[in-house]
Amino acid sequence: EAQVTQNPRYLITVTGKKLTVTCSQNMNHEYMSWYRQDPGLGLRQIYYSMNVEVTDKGDVPEGYKVSRKEKRNFPLILESPSPNQTSLYFCASRRGQGFSDTQYFGPGTRLTVL
Amino acid sequence: AQSVAQPEDQVNVAEGNPLTVKCTYSVSGNPYLFWYVQYPNRGLQFLLKYITGDNLVKGSYGFEAEFNKSQTSFHLKKPSALVSDSALYFCAVSVQTGANNLFFGTGTRLTVIP
Repeated sequence: EAQVTQNPRYLITVTGKKLTVTCSQNMNHEYMSWYRQDPGLGLRQIYYSMNVEVTDKGDVPEGYKVSRKEKRNFPLILESPSPNQTSLYFCASRRGQGFSDTQYFGPGTRLTVL
Repeated sequence: AQSVAQPEDQVNVAEGNPLTVKCTYSVSGNPYLFWYVQYPNRGLQFLLKYITGDNLVKGSYGFEAEFNKSQTSFHLKKPSALVSDSALYFCAVSVQTGANNLFFGTGTRLTVIP
């Protein structure tokens, strides 16, 4: 089944404790992206990757890092999480560089930073 | 700058009645418009998109949307609502020029009343 998977689905952590949220897609998609969803704000892009070893900032990149060493994986790293990073996070992928291509989303990771 | 507005946070409709979820956009350039649906504890699911051509776009689960360039709108519609349509709906836009990004509206919660 074609899908985007994320792990963990739920995470409670404390301020300053480094964490990684994994994202993997099995569709051989070139483009991958991370979003955060907050009430009243919709989804906002954190980082995106056009291909292996090519990443760029989205609208809200502060406090986050990403890497793209393999085509299928795009982990999101919070090196020193803070309470304002409590949010629902989605990974997404799409086939290529086309702006009209559909993005497919993972199931989400709900992160709470205490 | 690109932006999307969903003017209604909440839409209530009786089962069997037609439903409309509104979306307007502001972009510089030709827009690509998307609708996604989010069920509780699930990721975003793609419903439909407008790229070019026929202004009326048909999508999954009986949904359709009409692109109106003069009114810069892309309202989501369904002739007969089902209780199972109750969910959070997001409109999104991307543009060929500019940042490689999907810009999302803030979402509209649709409740279909039995």
